[in-house]
Amino acid sequence: NAGVTQTPKFQVLKTGQSMTLQCAQDMNHEYMSWYRQDPGMGLRLIHYSVGAGITDQGEVPNGYNVSRSTTEDFPLRLLSAAPSQTSVYFCASSYSILSRGAQGEAFFGQGTRLTVV
Amino acid sequence: GNSVTQMEGPVTLSEEAFLTINCTYTATGYPSLFWYVQYPGEGLQLLLKATKADDKGSNKGFEATYRKETTSFHLEKGSVQVSDSAVYFCALSPYNQGGKLIFGQGTELSVKP
Repeated sequence: NAGVTQTPKFQVLKTGQSMTLQCAQDMNHEYMSWYRQDPGMGLRLIHYSVGAGITDQGEVPNGYNVSRSTTEDFPLRLLSAAPSQTSVYFCASSYSILSRGAQGEAFFGQGTRLTVV
Repeated sequence: GNSVTQMEGPVTLSEEAFLTINCTYTATGYPSLFWYVQYPGEGLQLLLKATKADDKGSNKGFEATYRKETTSFHLEKGSVQVSDSAVYFCALSPYNQGGKLIFGQGTELSVKP
């Protein structure tokens, strides 16, 4: 069971370039999310999805796009990279606990370390 | 709004010392609460969780109790080991808002032999 798989692990971009960070999960979880981790700031939510075809913005969505055409995949697109997007990016998936209006624990990928020069 | 506040680190302890990492939260309704751990160079792993008031989550000797009256979820361990050295994150999942986790800033723990 692979869990949550992110690619690539490392990436260097020039300012203005675009790229897509890939994320796939094989646990049939309905929820998927993208976070960025910066020193001293914890993880901040970029975008999230509650199911195929449904996405919403998190705390820091500017400069990023997402789509969710299947349950398994949730790619994150950087449209025009900026140095402020240098960060470590984590994808996560989780499931609902309907009886409590809660979600179960999130499973995280290994992260993508992105540097924009 | 929803927010999580953790005690600042780094925290340095000797092996077998008692650990407490404070976590308080602000949320409407009844959030679920989590502690995640991140070892160097890795992603986050769930350490423990609690989904309703007075629940106690526990795992690998770590414990935390969901205290609604004090809006807290402090992490404790009676005797830390060198292998517990990592960054610890407190997080909440807002009620009926699946897919969202709100994290504290993380607390780095270093345990010396």
